[in-house]
This record gives sequence, C-alpha cells and structure tokens, in this order.
Amino acid sequence: EAEVAQSPRYKITEKSQAVAFWCDPISGHATLYWYRQILGQGPELLVQFQDESVVDDSQLPKDRFSAERLKGVDSTLKIQPAELGDSAMYLCASSPLQGSNTIYFGEGSWLTVV
Amino acid sequence: AQKITQTQPGMFVQEKEAVTLDCTYDTSDQSYGLFWYKQPSSGEMIFLIYQGSYDEQNATEGRYSLNFQKARKSANLVISASQLGDSAMYFCAMREIHNTDKLIFGTGTRLQVFP
Repeated sequence: EAEVAQSPRYKITEKSQAVAFWCDPISGHATLYWYRQILGQGPELLVQFQDESVVDDSQLPKDRFSAERLKGVDSTLKIQPAELGDSAMYLCASSPLQGSNTIYFGEGSWLTVV
Repeated sequence: AQKITQTQPGMFVQEKEAVTLDCTYDTSDQSYGLFWYKQPSSGEMIFLIYQGSYDEQNATEGRYSLNFQKARKSANLVISASQLGDSAMYFCAMREIHNTDKLIFGTGTRLQVFP
C-alpha cells in the first residue's frame, strides 16, 4: 500500500540552528499538507499546497518557517532559527485533490529543540 | 468559527466490548466533512472513517461506525469488539467544504483496551 514518506523520523537540534523536514506524498496526490502537533494537542495546519502552489499558509510563522514544493511532488519544510517552542511532531499529509474525503498522513517527524 | 470538541481525555474498555468516543462540532457551513483518525504511539495518523454532512446514512468501516446526529452536531465514533491493538489516541476532525480545505482537529481521546 502506498504511503506518505517523511524524514527524518527524529531530530534533535540546538536552539537557533536550522532544521529541515522532507515529505514525499502518495504518487499522484496533488494536495499536500504540513501539520504541527504539540504534545497533548491535535494537529494544526501550517501550510497547504495544491501542486506547487501554496493554498493556505495563514498559520505558518513566516519569520522562521518556510515551505516549498518546487515540482509539485515532494516538499521541504524548513525552520531557521529553531526555538524551544518549535519542539513538536511535524506531520505531512496528502490527498488526491482538494476537497477529497481521503487524506493520508505520514509517520511524522519528531523535533526536539534543546 | 469552526471548532471540534472531544470531552473525554481518556477512556478504558475491556477487550471484545464496544466503546463510544464522543465528538461535537461547531460550524456555520452547511457542507462539511467529519473524519476520525487513530494515532498509535508511533505517531502516524491513521484514517478510520469519513462522514459527509449530506450523507443520509451513518458511515461504517469494518468495526468502526460513526453515529452522526446532525441536529445535535455530534459525530461519535463507535468501535465494536475492541481489540488490544485499538489502544491509541483518537482524533475527530472537521473540514468545511466551502471554506479552506484544512482539517480542524479536536484534542483527542486516549483509549486503553484491557484484557
């Protein structure tokens, strides 16, 4: 069964350093999402792509976070500089098209900022 | 503003018994979708079941069913014949069809199944 691939699975970084996460959605899925999940809470959307275009990045802290999906396939989420409050799990998800009732998540990338 | 409420932080159920996980939602949109996800300790969000606001019948997927009561704005998940492997966090989520495409999640319910 096709899966959403994410890496790295775990990352420990020092405050003020840069960190990047990679996501490869299910083949053919046009819509890609990055969510952040703080321990004990539900995931919250950071950014949504439709192909290579950003559809919603209203909750993305743009002073330190950036996301790209250059060829409309895989995507990278970057944090620079990392802050202690960025410690969370970063989940990538994809769906065949916008408005689909099937949204599949990857295993997530756990970030700890020390 | 759209909102999802899960009032049960934790639930216990004995193996082979049924359990209901509560979810209420708030939206002004007439067209929306409701989702349930399971999150084991490994972290992956596993899609369980979907209910559209215009679906007349309650959604079912194997041992999972969604008790959809539109007038009460509730979308409870029912798991029948619980198994030890069902122990996990369960999240209810909603998407307004005519709004952004994003899912709004509740705070989750931790289910523990004991022998």
